[in-house]
Amino acid sequence: GNSVTQMEGPVTLSEEAFLTINCTYTATGYPSLFWYVQYPGEGLQLLLKATKADDKGSNKGFEATYRKETTSFHLEKGSVQVSDSAVYFCALRALTGGGNKLTFGTGTQLKVEL
Amino acid sequence: DGGITQSPKYLFRKEGQNVTLSCEQNLNHDAMYWYRQDPGQGLRLIYYSQIVNDFQKGDIAEGYSVSREKKESFPLTVTSAQKNPTAFYLCASSIYGVRMNTEAFFGQGTRLTVV
Repeated sequence: GNSVTQMEGPVTLSEEAFLTINCTYTATGYPSLFWYVQYPGEGLQLLLKATKADDKGSNKGFEATYRKETTSFHLEKGSVQVSDSAVYFCALRALTGGGNKLTFGTGTQLKVEL
Repeated sequence: DGGITQSPKYLFRKEGQNVTLSCEQNLNHDAMYWYRQDPGQGLRLIYYSQIVNDFQKGDIAEGYSVSREKKESFPLTVTSAQKNPTAFYLCASSIYGVRMNTEAFFGQGTRLTVV
């Protein structure tokens, strides 16, 4: 079946540090890939997406490139801020026997300190 | 403003009681979803619906029931058969259930505590 694997958290960084959160996936066919962000006590918000191989999604300084050869979609940001502290979820949408649905990773908590 | 509204934000129930969580969207989306979130386990799909009057079980449907009588509404009932109902419940919707490049939009969630 489809699955998403994210690096374990929490990840703790100093402000202005470089961020990488690893995400790899297993899916049939050609999935679309997403990163969502969740702030404490809230629902999920779409951060960025990529729908085909070699696409790069970007938003608010975050980037991720759809790498089909390594089945990866790692999230990066060049300089994190305290306001980026949140939980980040990698997700995919792919065809399954019952249609298509979103499959999520377990989430990676990011803490950014001054 | 368009969006997804979940209510209530916090819900307390006694063990053995059924409880219904509300989810309404005014985005004109065809597909709606219910997820359960537990610490360290990410999101797990309970039920989803791609059109009115139709829905499918997700990965953890046991102890839950849903209905989709209107496009805008997808209520979730947590029954007394659900062994561990205390969790954060998230409702989501997307434009076309069968298209793969469409993202889901989420509500703010309902935190259910069973005592």
